[in-house]
Amino acid sequence: QVQLVESGGGVVQPGRSLRLSCAASGFTFSTYGMHWVRQAPGKGLEWVAVMSYGGSHTYYADSVMGRFTISRDNSKNTLFLQMNSLRAEDTAVYYCAKAFYPYHGGGPFDVWGRGTMVTVSS
Amino acid sequence: QSVLTQPPSLSAAPGQRVTISCSGNSSNIGNNYVSWYQQLPGTAPKFLIYDNDKRPSGIPDRFSGSKSGTSATLGITGLQTGDEADYYCGTWDSSLSAVVFGGGTKLTVL
Repeated sequence: QVQLVESGGGVVQPGRSLRLSCAASGFTFSTYGMHWVRQAPGKGLEWVAVMSYGGSHTYYADSVMGRFTISRDNSKNTLFLQMNSLRAEDTAVYYCAKAFYPYHGGGPFDVWGRGTMVTVSS
Repeated sequence: QSVLTQPPSLSAAPGQRVTISCSGNSSNIGNNYVSWYQQLPGTAPKFLIYDNDKRPSGIPDRFSGSKSGTSATLGITGLQTGDEADYYCGTWDSSLSAVVFGGGTKLTVL
């Protein structure tokens, strides 16, 4: 079945870096845009970034622009999020999500992973 | 605050009908499709409605969506206790070049 599994979360000090991964299975990964969405404790959903199916186009939320980098390895069906210069306000559950339409980078999101928790604290 | 505006909370009795509003502007809802997601406590969001009013396979017809101008609405009929969840609207914002979500609506089924 279609599945997304995030990993790489943990506790990190402010200013440090962390790399998240999202392993995809059950669909042709290379034909779908992929997103990261986060949710701070007790808060709503916040979109983070998207990468197009082929990796040539990326968009970021203003809150992470210049600090986070989204990437993908279509040969390994894996999506990544490199997070640098982390701040306390980046503390959240990070979900990867699959675009519903193939060859289309925007939403909607039909498949979500279970998420991985990132805590930024000294 | 969120780009899209939703009521923070709503409550209704089992069996009743409820509507959840989502308000935006011409850069987002006014010119792009709206989707809706249901998030049960402690779980990941679930795909509920796409392209304003379409239901993915497996979503019961008790759930419906509509859009008019710069606002969208999620309707739920025959409320069940299992419908207690947070509901989010989302769309693309052409000015921001970003996906935007509403702040979420916590639905309580009394």
